[in-house]
Amino acid sequence: GENVEQHPSTLSVQEGDSAVIKCTYSDSASNYFPWYKQELGKRPQLIIDIRSNVGEKKDQRIAVTLNKTAKHFSLHITETQPEDSAVYFCAARKRSSGSARQLTFGSGTQLTVLP
Amino acid sequence: SQTIHQWPATLVQPVGSPLSLECTVEGTSNPNLYWYRQAAGRGLQLLFYSVGIGQISSEVPQNLSASRPQDRQFILSSKKLLLSDSGFYLCAWGRGQGVAETQYFGPGTRLLVL
Repeated sequence: GENVEQHPSTLSVQEGDSAVIKCTYSDSASNYFPWYKQELGKRPQLIIDIRSNVGEKKDQRIAVTLNKTAKHFSLHITETQPEDSAVYFCAARKRSSGSARQLTFGSGTQLTVLP
Repeated sequence: SQTIHQWPATLVQPVGSPLSLECTVEGTSNPNLYWYRQAAGRGLQLLFYSVGIGQISSEVPQNLSASRPQDRQFILSSKKLLLSDSGFYLCAWGRGQGVAETQYFGPGTRLLVL
C-alpha cells in the first residue's frame, strides 16, 4: 500500500519567515495530494491540494509543489504569522477502480511561529 | 451548503464497555464516508470507508466495526472497548466525484477509555 513520510516533525520559525514542510510517497499511482491544518483540539481543515497533472499551486501565502519523478511534494508558507501555528498533515491518494478515495496521511508537522 | 456532525463530542468509557459514535452529513446525497482515528500526537489512520448504504470496507483489523444504516449516517461501534481504543475519532465525507473528490472532516469525538 501507500506510505507517506513527512518531515520535519517539528518546525519553529520567526514571524515573517518562510516555512517548508516536505513529504514523500511510495506509490507512483498516487495522483492527489492534499494538505490539512489542525489547530489544537480541532478538526483538520483542508488548506490546499494539488493533482498530479500540476507541478505547483499557490493560494495567497500558501503554495504546494509536486515532483512526480522524485515522488515528493512540499508545502510552502511565506510571511508566516502566529495564527499559522498548528499541526500540518500531508496526504496522498492513488487512483482507484472503486468510488472510494482513501487517503494515506503523513505523521504531521508541528509548526510554531515565534512572535 | 453541506455540513457534517458528530456526537458525542467527548466520551469517557470503562474498558470492556460498548461504544457507538455517530456521524451524519447534511446537504448532499450518496457521499463517500470515512472513519479515521487519531491517537494523541499522531497522524490520522483510516479505519473504515463506505460508498453507499450497507457498504462498509475495513482498512485495519481491530475490535471496531462500522455501519451505514442510512445514506447520510455512518456509525462506529465496538462491543468491548480496549485501552488502546482511546483517541480522537474523525468522520469525513467526500465531496465531488472520482478523482475530483475532496474530503472534509467532522468536528470529531474525543474518546478516553479508562
